[in-house]
Amino acid sequence: GESVGLHLPTLSVQEGDNSIINCAYSNSASDYFIWYKQESGKGPQFIIDIRSNMDKRQGQRVTVLLNKTVKHLSLQIAATQPGDSAVYFCADHPPYGQNFVFGPGTRLSVLP
Amino acid sequence: KAGVTQTPRYLIKTRGQQVTLSCSPISGHRSVSWYQQTPGQGLQFLFEYFSETQRNKGNFPGRFSGRQFSNSRSEMNVSTLELGDSALYLCASSLSLAGGLGLQETQYFGPGTRLLVL
Repeated sequence: GESVGLHLPTLSVQEGDNSIINCAYSNSASDYFIWYKQESGKGPQFIIDIRSNMDKRQGQRVTVLLNKTVKHLSLQIAATQPGDSAVYFCADHPPYGQNFVFGPGTRLSVLP
Repeated sequence: KAGVTQTPRYLIKTRGQQVTLSCSPISGHRSVSWYQQTPGQGLQFLFEYFSETQRNKGNFPGRFSGRQFSNSRSEMNVSTLELGDSALYLCASSLSLAGGLGLQETQYFGPGTRLLVL
């Protein structure tokens, strides 16, 4: 994720709709990517990951898309539920000897 | 399998004091990383330990230090606390089967220690 001064984007979606959360990363050499969900007062929780040799990976109600050409990652959540309300972080990992870099996060609010 | 645990969960200190935070990784995980999370800076990497050795270090002053024990448990220490050290300190563990030489592996986070410096 980009290391920038923190501005936390917010996404509000209606319950039952699909959500798309976007993330840009800066290191073209990054080869591993993770999406985390963080609820208030808790640590980040692993949602789904993808390696650079893939462009799409699906989990339960979630899909991650990777576009290496433009260094962009997205998380799609199907049939968004109130329990999905949280801050979502992307993290990318440059190869060998470096550590994960986290994006600023996106706050997802699910409206009833 | 139990997740990553961190103690204490909450801590209040005053400027100039020092603090030690503890992290127990998931059983079998050999790598432990520490992060600082603040509203202004987001999640920032502090350091990573593997086999009792610091393998990677972020851009923090020397007041921040850590160590890892033979059972993979880790502690971090902050000396001469400043107001700006108030944050959520997160620990994450990973298997690190190849010792960092192979494919990157998922990091699993603990609940964090909320530190307030007055």
